[in-house]
Amino acid sequence: DGGITQSPKYLFRKEGQNVTLSCEQNLNHDAMYWYRQDPGQGLRLIYYSQIVNDFQKGDIAEGYSVSREKKESFPLTVTSAQKNPTAFYLCASSSRTRALNTEAFFGQGTRLTVV
Amino acid sequence: QKEVEQNSGPLSVPEGAIASLNCTYSDRGSQSFFWYRQYSGKSPELIMSIYSNGDKEDGRFTAQLNKASQYVSLLIRDSQPSDSATYLCAVYLETSGSRLTFGEGTQLTVNP
Repeated sequence: DGGITQSPKYLFRKEGQNVTLSCEQNLNHDAMYWYRQDPGQGLRLIYYSQIVNDFQKGDIAEGYSVSREKKESFPLTVTSAQKNPTAFYLCASSSRTRALNTEAFFGQGTRLTVV
Repeated sequence: QKEVEQNSGPLSVPEGAIASLNCTYSDRGSQSFFWYRQYSGKSPELIMSIYSNGDKEDGRFTAQLNKASQYVSLLIRDSQPSDSATYLCAVYLETSGSRLTFGEGTQLTVNP
């Protein structure tokens, strides 16, 4: 089945620890995105990538890092510099057709908690 | 001004009524617009996409786009309790490198 897979579904992090969230897609999409969602809030863009080996900061990139070495994969690392990382993290991907960006599809999300 | 702004909620309608959700955006160069539905604790799912001015209908859902007014809306006819969720407006901001940006969402409750 085609889709986006995020893992793990739940993740616990100790203070001062880096953790990496996985996002893999087999939809052959060029663009991939990472969002953070806090309770009762909308989605805030962390990083996005339009092509392999290139990515841009979103609105809240501080304390996060990404890589895009393969088209299918866009892992997100939450570093110890992110002081309040407890949130719901969502990965999405989309394609571009006839100069239009098409709909983005989401993975099931990773819920990160600092313990 | 927020780049994508939705009408403040929460919105409550009786079963069978029409629910109207509104969204404005700041980038005149935007070409692609979407509505997503998100149930509590779940990831967003796509309901509608719209690219041209006018109306687009899909079952009980109608999306309306007015690029001159930088306005996109979603109408839900014959609302059902299962429609109770948060609805997110999403826009590609073309002048910002095709960033897919979301509004804060509008929480809809449909009362039986």
